[in-house]
Amino acid sequence: AQSVTQLDSQVPVFEEAPVELRCNYSSSVSVYLFWYVQYPNQGLQLLLKYLSGSTLVKSINGFEAEFNKSQTSFHLRKPSVHISDTAEYFCAVSRGNTGFQKLVFGTGTRLLVSP
Amino acid sequence: DTGVSQDPRHKITKRGQNVTFRCDPISEHNRLYWYRQTLGQGPEFLTYFQNEAQLEKSRLLSDRFSAERPKGSFSTLEIQRTEQGDSAMYLCASAGGGLDTQYFGPGTRLTVL
Repeated sequence: AQSVTQLDSQVPVFEEAPVELRCNYSSSVSVYLFWYVQYPNQGLQLLLKYLSGSTLVKSINGFEAEFNKSQTSFHLRKPSVHISDTAEYFCAVSRGNTGFQKLVFGTGTRLLVSP
Repeated sequence: DTGVSQDPRHKITKRGQNVTFRCDPISEHNRLYWYRQTLGQGPEFLTYFQNEAQLEKSRLLSDRFSAERPKGSFSTLEIQRTEQGDSAMYLCASAGGGLDTQYFGPGTRLTVL
């Protein structure tokens, strides 16, 4: 079985500052990794995903995450945040090498960006 | 935009009543998932359909819960004899074949009084 740990329930940061949201996973088999974002009163949206290949994956709005197999981590980073990045961020894992992809989510990290 | 839609968006019911939620996936997506999200937690997997076949059910899905996808298109999730512990956001997601991403709907928020 897979599990995900997001240790930070809330991360306050000032606008234009860098941010890192931490995600660690546990699995005895290969995995796929995802970051989803949930803006207030909206559904979950995929931010980025790692399936295979390059361990550094990037989103269109400046976020990036790096798959680190030895540390079983998939931390999310952004060099300069905007007010509009305020949202809840969920890290998720699914079993690799299968098309089924039942997602196992962490408890989420609320990113609060202030001016 | 023909994303995943869910109906209703909010449902308030009294304990012991039955409720039914509907999910309309993205057209031509053959995979459909139900998740439940309680306050302060991430979504938890409930069940999965490939076309009309229900292929996996979580142990979270007690016998009071039943899900169907009769024609391989929309799906319904019914909760019988609701309990206060059923209060949560119920999320539906759909995906195409292979390693396609799961696209989530806006959810149905259930409050059991």
